[in-house]
Amino acid sequence: EIVMTQSPATLSVSPGERATLSCRASQSVSSNLAWYQQKPGQPPRRLMYDAATRATGIPARFSGSGSGTEFTLTISSLQSEDFAVYYCQQYNTWPSWTFGQGTKVEV
Amino acid sequence: EVQLLESGGGLAQFGGSLRLSCAASGFIFSNYAMSWVRQAPGKGLEWVSSISGGSSTTYHADSVKGRFTISRDNSKNTLYLQMSSLRAEDSAIYYCAKVVVGARGFDYWGQGALVIVSS
Repeated sequence: EIVMTQSPATLSVSPGERATLSCRASQSVSSNLAWYQQKPGQPPRRLMYDAATRATGIPARFSGSGSGTEFTLTISSLQSEDFAVYYCQQYNTWPSWTFGQGTKVEV
Repeated sequence: EVQLLESGGGLAQFGGSLRLSCAASGFIFSNYAMSWVRQAPGKGLEWVSSISGGSSTTYHADSVKGRFTISRDNSKNTLYLQMSSLRAEDSAIYYCAKVVVGARGFDYWGQGALVIVSS
């Protein structure tokens, strides 16, 4: 099983600041990585796929990068609606897809 | 508009059974693989089961293999998860999720169904 490790567990930032979230895979997943955002009481929402492609309707302040085992999600200027938990997920090995444990972005 | 609506959640006895349903609309259901993903209270996301569009192939995580069965009825645009021999650690919100063509992650998720297993 590919283990996904996210850091930090919690990221404290102020509105307008830049946030950088990291995700590491225990083995290469190529660019087969997605990022999801989850707010309390809601299902996850896809933000990025193929490591660096924004999903439909996702604002340009979200960007993704990386390949292989190291990935980054960057939020260039945090808005109030961006405070949430973010998960990375590898889909390199169908169907045993695995998620990171999440990074909580808080004020 | 793609919609996924889970039902069937609730309180179940330890060792008991429960069947979840997920009604899909807004897309050609039979063309897409579907999955169940669960989230224990306050915890992260865990893939549970997946099924191909034509129902020919099913997959289950080791944690539920032999106890859970995923199925679908394409004539009813509905996905199912039959859960048996339930354990306390199966308590979670269960989400159905639509698989992106080419098995490239999940693009749509339902609102989830809460399952609580109690002795």
